[in-house]
Amino acid sequence: QKEVEQNSGPLSVPEGAIASLNCTYSDRVSQSFFWYRQYSGKSPELIMSIYSNGDKEDGRFTAQLNKASQYVSLLIRDSQPSDSATYLCAVIPQGSYIPTFGRGTSLIVHP
Amino acid sequence: DAGVIQSPRHEVTEMGQEVTLRCKPISGHNSLFWYRQTMMRGLELLIYFNNNVPIDDSGMPEDRFSAKMPNASFSTLKIQPSEPRDSAVYFCASSTETNEKLFFGSGTQLSVL
Repeated sequence: QKEVEQNSGPLSVPEGAIASLNCTYSDRVSQSFFWYRQYSGKSPELIMSIYSNGDKEDGRFTAQLNKASQYVSLLIRDSQPSDSATYLCAVIPQGSYIPTFGRGTSLIVHP
Repeated sequence: DAGVIQSPRHEVTEMGQEVTLRCKPISGHNSLFWYRQTMMRGLELLIYFNNNVPIDDSGMPEDRFSAKMPNASFSTLKIQPSEPRDSAVYFCASSTETNEKLFFGSGTQLSVL
């Protein structure tokens, strides 16, 4: 079983809406959490990192972490067609330095 | 900085042939990762180097796969002999010590016929 789980989607939202992407992880002592964006045919790039419970905002992006529920999410406000991509959740367990990636969720923002 | 450089961008080969993928990490980065990405399995770690030393190779599928990092600026991933099931996109990524941000190369699209 994959240690980091994501719904593969696609998640389709209209332009201007809020896109909500979710990720669960199995290692209870994980400490570091990341969201990478991957455009079709391109390589992943880091967009958000979060380390403590609660929300972290960066522009239109908000990462949310709930360690008790082993759940991390990414909210994209005012979604734009240029946000259409696959979003990969990554987790680094405590005591490790190796990110484990989920399979990713495909997001489609339609005009 | 030019970022992480991988070569070749595309490789088409026949089953049984040897394949060598190359990676030049970002200067100053001491962590290097090789990942493989497929639709079915997503992004899977193959091997992790720190300061040129292999730290975790548990993701290397079998003895057909080998990886080296002879110095801080170069790494190779070799598949010998290649099989059709090895077809995937192979990414190299580098990072600083904490691995809090991975910088990925453009990837090598490998097709084994």
